[in-house]
Amino acid sequence: QITLKESGPTVVKPTQTLTLTCTFSGFSLSTAGVGVGWIRQPPGKALEWLALIYWDDDRRYRPSLKSRLTISKDTSKNQVVLTITNVNPEDTATYYCAHSEDSGWPLDSWGQGTLVTVST
Amino acid sequence: SYDLTQPPSLSVSPGQTVTITCSGDELVNKYVSWYQQRPGQSPVLVVYQDTKRPSGIPERFSGSMSGNTATLTISGTQGIDEADYYCQAWASNIHWVFGGGTKLTVL
Repeated sequence: QITLKESGPTVVKPTQTLTLTCTFSGFSLSTAGVGVGWIRQPPGKALEWLALIYWDDDRRYRPSLKSRLTISKDTSKNQVVLTITNVNPEDTATYYCAHSEDSGWPLDSWGQGTLVTVST
Repeated sequence: SYDLTQPPSLSVSPGQTVTITCSGDELVNKYVSWYQQRPGQSPVLVVYQDTKRPSGIPERFSGSMSGNTATLTISGTQGIDEADYYCQAWASNIHWVFGGGTKLTVL
């Protein structure tokens, strides 16, 4: 059974860097094809894909946010980390991580999400 | 940027069939998935690769593709199907893109 859980701060100040961690079980990020992605959802709004990292360290980013995003993995800890620099109130959202079996495959398992508020 | 267009809202009576559309340029050349998100919950995959249904998803959920429009059909809609539904497209040049979501109300 695949499980994922997001963790990180609940409140971040504008201009700070947000660091989120996805801790997962039930699969390995060293298995060929596997990927973990980050998706966010501002309150009352639609899902928005942010980034993903594959087993071979291939990294993809949402073009409009690429300059502010960094995704990394720690295979030994079963964790994926997303950092967002220079946050602003528009980054207030529930952040989800999710598993993908392979490139082109859907996001078949999702974490519970973590709400992050950007505020002074 | 690549955009997917969905109707913002739809309503259906219990037991009836509802179709939710998702349109985008050259969508026929991309893999389309559909996710259900009930209030306060995480999204759940209900259809992938246009027409396939994951294990555990009821048969009343089905997907299709015609031209540049993907469709999610829910047959014999039940009250528990009231949720937001998102289409998502994948292609190597766009990676993952989500539609704006459709709020389905079961009246």
